[in-house]
Amino acid sequence: GQQLNQSPQSMFIQEGEDVSMNCTSSSIFNTWLWYKQDPGEGPVLLIALYKAGELTSNGRLTAQFGITRKDSFLNISASIPSDVGIYFCAGPTGGGNKLTFGTGTQLKVEL
Amino acid sequence: DGGITQSPKYLFRKEGQNVTLSCEQNLNHDAMYWYRQDPGQGLRLIYYSQIVNDFQKGDIAEGYSVSREKKESFPLTVTSAQKNPTAFYLCASRDLPGQGAPHEQYFGPGTRLTVT
Repeated sequence: GQQLNQSPQSMFIQEGEDVSMNCTSSSIFNTWLWYKQDPGEGPVLLIALYKAGELTSNGRLTAQFGITRKDSFLNISASIPSDVGIYFCAGPTGGGNKLTFGTGTQLKVEL
Repeated sequence: DGGITQSPKYLFRKEGQNVTLSCEQNLNHDAMYWYRQDPGQGLRLIYYSQIVNDFQKGDIAEGYSVSREKKESFPLTVTSAQKNPTAFYLCASRDLPGQGAPHEQYFGPGTRLTVT
């Protein structure tokens, strides 16, 4: 089946730094979703992307739909402690009836 | 407030017992999903349902069963046949307004099941 690989797997950053992570696939997607999961909680949808090349922001978060349609990027500007968590990308599969989730990028902030 | 409720938050069972996890949504969403998450891992689909009285197996359905008797409810039973049932279980729902429905799924808070 389709797999979504996220990079980096985990990262430590200093508070105030900008963060970049990406999600890649061997197959084309027509939608990219980015979720954040706090420890012990369910994932929360951050950004949805529907068009190749699209750049969408949500506060300090900016996500881009790669022009090849096989990748997507998430940037966080000026990190704060509450940005800690796991970030997942996801894309529709199974004829659009299901989502495949990436392997996740765990963000840890150094105070 | 609209949302998805999963109860209980923590559940403990003895090996060999079946256990049912609750998932209720008041978002009027048509589709509901169950995922399993192991420590440090991503989400794996167990079962999903797009309409009442119908459901489909996901990638790891063995040892699990579901029912969808009401639109707002999608309980998951972890049976004794599931070899490694200890995990974090997440329920999600999605609106299906018609053709070209958005793919966004919305998640509940999860239930952590521990089987000893």
